[in-house]
Amino acid sequence: QVQLQESGPGLVKPSETLSLTCTVSGGSMSSYYWNWIRQPPEKGLEWIGYIHYSGSTKYNPSLKSRVTISVDTSKNQYSLKLSSVTAADTAVYYCARGPSPYWFFDPWGRGTLVTVSS
Amino acid sequence: QSVLTQPPSVSGAPGQRVTISCTGSTSNIGANYDVHWYQQLPGTAPKLLIFRNNNRPSGVPDRFSGSQSGTSASLAITGLQAEDEADYYCQSYDSSLSGSVFGTGTKVTVL
Repeated sequence: QVQLQESGPGLVKPSETLSLTCTVSGGSMSSYYWNWIRQPPEKGLEWIGYIHYSGSTKYNPSLKSRVTISVDTSKNQYSLKLSSVTAADTAVYYCARGPSPYWFFDPWGRGTLVTVSS
Repeated sequence: QSVLTQPPSVSGAPGQRVTISCTGSTSNIGANYDVHWYQQLPGTAPKLLIFRNNNRPSGVPDRFSGSQSGTSASLAITGLQAEDEADYYCQSYDSSLSGSVFGTGTKVTVL
């Protein structure tokens, strides 16, 4: 059964770039869409974007100018970079698999809290 | 920027039936894009509860059911149990954003 695990720094300074990696285990990345989703403390979920195993991407328009998602299928990993972060980017960041850009997310990683603070 | 609206909270006694609404628009639910539901227990990641409007993944009790009509969708929980106390989110695709959107979230409290 496929499992996802986020990793990366838990603390990022304002104006710097947030970088996270999601490692996929127990299955291939082929034919799926690999997503990033975030949840600020005590708030709701926000879809950040996805990358298809082929490399094509789609981002949330509200974050598009600051987001880059990349994939390394040889390592079964994909990554998120969010530039020029502010305190508003403090959130739990989840990676999640999707069978289609129009459909659901399953499974999800456990999530990792990233705090933006000097 | 949630474009799907849910009630902030619903509550019910054990054994009762509760429903959670998810109101969208003609660019998401009303455009016949599927609605999915997630359950988020405190301190954990969301878990897929209902997919493609009314389908339950393996292991999800049949007390949970989904429906969709027009620009809205609903999640029903029958025979409410203490373990159902959690946050619930709907999710769909929005053609104007060209991406996925989530509901505002609903906290279910078992009295």
